[in-house]
Amino acid sequence: RKEVEQDPGPFNVPEGATVAFNCTYSNSASQSFFWYRQDCRKEPKLLMSVYSSGNEDGRFTAQLNRASQYISLLIRDSKLSDSATYLCAVKTGGSYIPTFGRGTSLIVHP
Amino acid sequence: DAGITQSPRHKVTETGTPVTLRCHQTENHRYMYWYRQDPGHGLRLIHYSYGVKDTDKGEVSDGYSVSRSKTEDFLLTLESATSSQTSVYFCAISEKGASGTIDTQYFGPGTRLTVL
Repeated sequence: RKEVEQDPGPFNVPEGATVAFNCTYSNSASQSFFWYRQDCRKEPKLLMSVYSSGNEDGRFTAQLNRASQYISLLIRDSKLSDSATYLCAVKTGGSYIPTFGRGTSLIVHP
Repeated sequence: DAGITQSPRHKVTETGTPVTLRCHQTENHRYMYWYRQDPGHGLRLIHYSYGVKDTDKGEVSDGYSVSRSKTEDFLLTLESATSSQTSVYFCAISEKGASGTIDTQYFGPGTRLTVL
């Protein structure tokens, strides 16, 4: 089993839709969790960190489920500009090397 | 945006030639990383550095070497380029946060390398 797994998609959704992605991790010692956004032919950019209590940034909500070992990203009111690949990253407390998922592709269409 | 630059941004080279990619940061971050990204594989760590002259191997280090003689520069060298090293190479940096844990990574713009 891979350490960090994501459904590659693509997720095809219309503008205005709500879409959610999950990212499962296998190491129960994982302590830090992140979502990155990567546009085509660009570098990954941090979208948000994921806190134990969950966190929200505008239309984006990230949550952590430690019992089931996954994090989620919810995007409300999808925009065309949300089309990108979303990478999750997971890190144990003592490490400075995160493990990345392979990403989930989102396509928002008119 | 984090102050990370990579050079060159694009390079085409021939099999068997040595190639050096440069990552330069202006953030004074202690930790630096080199990744390659290929379709179907995601980001794979090549080498990383936890200080000047302190480096270690990642999961795909064969055929690559690194050097870090200054905090701001991390060089990746392909000793004898092969077609399997055609890829997009990303540099990343990170630092310890206030809590003492390592903060998130910030990525450079990438270098597209083609080995013919």
